[in-house]
Amino acid sequence: QQQVKQSPQSLIVQKGGIPIINCAYENTAFDYFPWYQQFPGKGPALLIAIRPDVSEKKEGRFTISFNKSAKQFSLHIMDSQPGDSATYFCAAFLTGAGNMLTFGGGTRLMVKP
Amino acid sequence: DAGVIQSPRHEVTEMGQEVTLRCKPISGHNSLFWYRQTMMRGLELLIYFNNNVPIDDSGMPEDRFSAKMPNASFSTLKIQPSEPRDSAVYFCASSPGRALGQYFGPGTRLTVT
Repeated sequence: QQQVKQSPQSLIVQKGGIPIINCAYENTAFDYFPWYQQFPGKGPALLIAIRPDVSEKKEGRFTISFNKSAKQFSLHIMDSQPGDSATYFCAAFLTGAGNMLTFGGGTRLMVKP
Repeated sequence: DAGVIQSPRHEVTEMGQEVTLRCKPISGHNSLFWYRQTMMRGLELLIYFNNNVPIDDSGMPEDRFSAKMPNASFSTLKIQPSEPRDSAVYFCASSPGRALGQYFGPGTRLTVT
C-alpha cells in the first residue's frame, strides 16, 4: 500500500520557471517530511525537510509548502536551472518506526536552457 | 567522512550465480537500509537494521534474497540464485536516527543476463 503519492511523474520547464512537485500522505502520524534529489548514476541526497508544525520552509531556491489539514506538501524550485534537472522524491517519516522512510514514486524534472 | 561506501559499483552476472553486494555505513550511524530501484517499481525498501539487528525484512522479494549485518561497519545483501528480473540498482543508506535523514551510497548497478 503506497502511503505517499507523488505527482507528476515527469515535468519539463524552461530555465527560470518554477516547477512544483506535489505529495499527499495518508498516515497523520507522520512527523517529518524530507525531499531527496537524485542525479543520474548517483544515490538520492537529502535536499530539504519540514516538520508538520511549520507551513513553509525555504532553503535557497527550494521551498517546501505544507498543508497539514489537507495532508499534502509540495516542493517549489524558484528560478530553476538546467543543473536542477534530476529526479525528486518526497518522503515521510514516523518517529518510533525504526528510522524508516516511506518514499513517493519520484518526479523526473527536466529544466530546458 | 567518506559517506556510505558500496561495492562493487557495477556487477554483471549470469542467471543462477550468487551475487553479494557490500555496504559500509557512515561511522556512528545506527540504522542501515537496503533499497532496490527500477524504472517500473521506483525505490523499494528491502530490509533495514537498527543497531545491527534486522527490524523489517518484509520488502525482501523472495527467499533468494538475504542480508546480514555482522557489525556496525559492514552489511551484505546476497542473492542466490540470481535471476534476470533482479537487475536493478541497489542502494545502501545509513541514518543516525531521530528524523535526521538517510544518507545514500552511490549504489550498485546489477545486471543479470
